Amino acid sequence: AQSVSQHNHHVILSEAASLELGCNYSYGGTVNLFWYVQYPGQHLQLLLKYFSGDPLVKGIKGFEAEFIKSKFSFNLRKPSVQWSDTAEYFCAVNREGGSYIPTFGRGTSLIVHP
Amino acid sequence: EAQVTQNPRYLITVTGKKLTVTCSQNMNHEYMSWYRQDPGLGLRQIYYSMNVEVTDKGDVPEGYKVSRKEKRNFPLILESPSPNQTSLYFCASRSGTGVYSPLHFGNGTRLTVT
Repeated sequence: AQSVSQHNHHVILSEAASLELGCNYSYGGTVNLFWYVQYPGQHLQLLLKYFSGDPLVKGIKGFEAEFIKSKFSFNLRKPSVQWSDTAEYFCAVNREGGSYIPTFGRGTSLIVHP
Repeated sequence: EAQVTQNPRYLITVTGKKLTVTCSQNMNHEYMSWYRQDPGLGLRQIYYSMNVEVTDKGDVPEGYKVSRKEKRNFPLILESPSPNQTSLYFCASRSGTGVYSPLHFGNGTRLTVT
């Protein structure tokens, strides 16, 4: 069965620090990849997505992610975090073929200290 | 405004008392889904629906029922709630093209079963 792994469960950073959150998936075929963000007390929102083309995708609020097919990874990055980036981050994968049911990772809780 | 609307936002009930959480979307989306979110476990899919009158079990369907009589509505029914169903629930929808479409989430329903 397809799985999505987010290795960092809790990350604590100071403002201006750089961020990288890992996401790996197990499916070997063509995939489409998403990062969602959930700010405290809110619902999940799309941060960025990758379907094809340039493996480096840019999302909202200065976030970017790089798809590395050989490593089955889609890591999220931000050069300089802000206190307002405190949130939970979820990686999700749609597998082409079948019914495109998205599989979510368990999430990474990010706390940014001012 | 395009949105997914869940009601209620908060619900406290007692074991065994049937309840329904409503979900409605105004985007004419074919796909709808219910998730529960628990600390350390991330998002787990309960049920999903690819279109009207088509529903399927997700990863954790036990104790839940759904129906999809109309395209816009996808209620979640707990016939006999138990304390282990205390959780944060999210409804989500997506257009039928699936692989290229991100999920749109409702604001969540926090359920407590005593």
